[in-house]
Amino acid sequence: EPEVTQTPSHQVTQMGQEVILRCVPISNHLYFYWYRQILGQKVEFLVSFYNNEISEKSEIFDDQFSVERPDGSNFTLKIRSTKLEDSAMYFCASSRILAGGGDTQYFGPGTRLTVL
Amino acid sequence: TQLLEQSPQFLSIQEGENLTVYCNSSSVFSSLQWYRQEPGEGPVLLVTVVTGGEVKKLKRLTFQFGDARKDSSLHITAAQPGDTGLYLCAGARGGGSNYKLTFGKGTLLTVNP
Repeated sequence: EPEVTQTPSHQVTQMGQEVILRCVPISNHLYFYWYRQILGQKVEFLVSFYNNEISEKSEIFDDQFSVERPDGSNFTLKIRSTKLEDSAMYFCASSRILAGGGDTQYFGPGTRLTVL
Repeated sequence: TQLLEQSPQFLSIQEGENLTVYCNSSSVFSSLQWYRQEPGEGPVLLVTVVTGGEVKKLKRLTFQFGDARKDSSLHITAAQPGDTGLYLCAGARGGGSNYKLTFGKGTLLTVNP
């Protein structure tokens, strides 16, 4: 069964460094998402992406964050200058059509980002 | 701000017991998804409900979407230790916010042998 994959599974970085988290969504899906989950807290929406542009973003997704689909398979989240509070699990998800249209978002296994 | 309130937050039961987990909101959702999440892993989809009043069954799990599409429940019959985990509900809205899911905080279920 097709699944969303993410790399790396764990990333440790120093505060102020740039990190790129990578995702390979399910191949026939058109909508891509990033969510994060700080330890002990609920999963929070960061950004959605469709047709090579951002569709919606949350207030968490500030100028330090960017997303890109550099080729036909990868979807990346870049944090330009990491802060301690960026430490969290980051989940990539994909769906065929819009969540509001009743479609399902499938999640990857996550990347645990630790900022020291 | 859309909020999904899940209850109870923690639930510890004995093997063989039945249980119900609730997901409530003051907002109407176009669809609602239930996920199960293991520690350190991503949410794994259990079911998506779309129509008000809809009932879906997945083996011993029964999911219901409220008639007004503001609430949902998950009922587990004859719980087993393998059902232990964090159960999350997540709602999607139409219109301008139809690209994202809003998650509840989850119900952490422990089924003791």
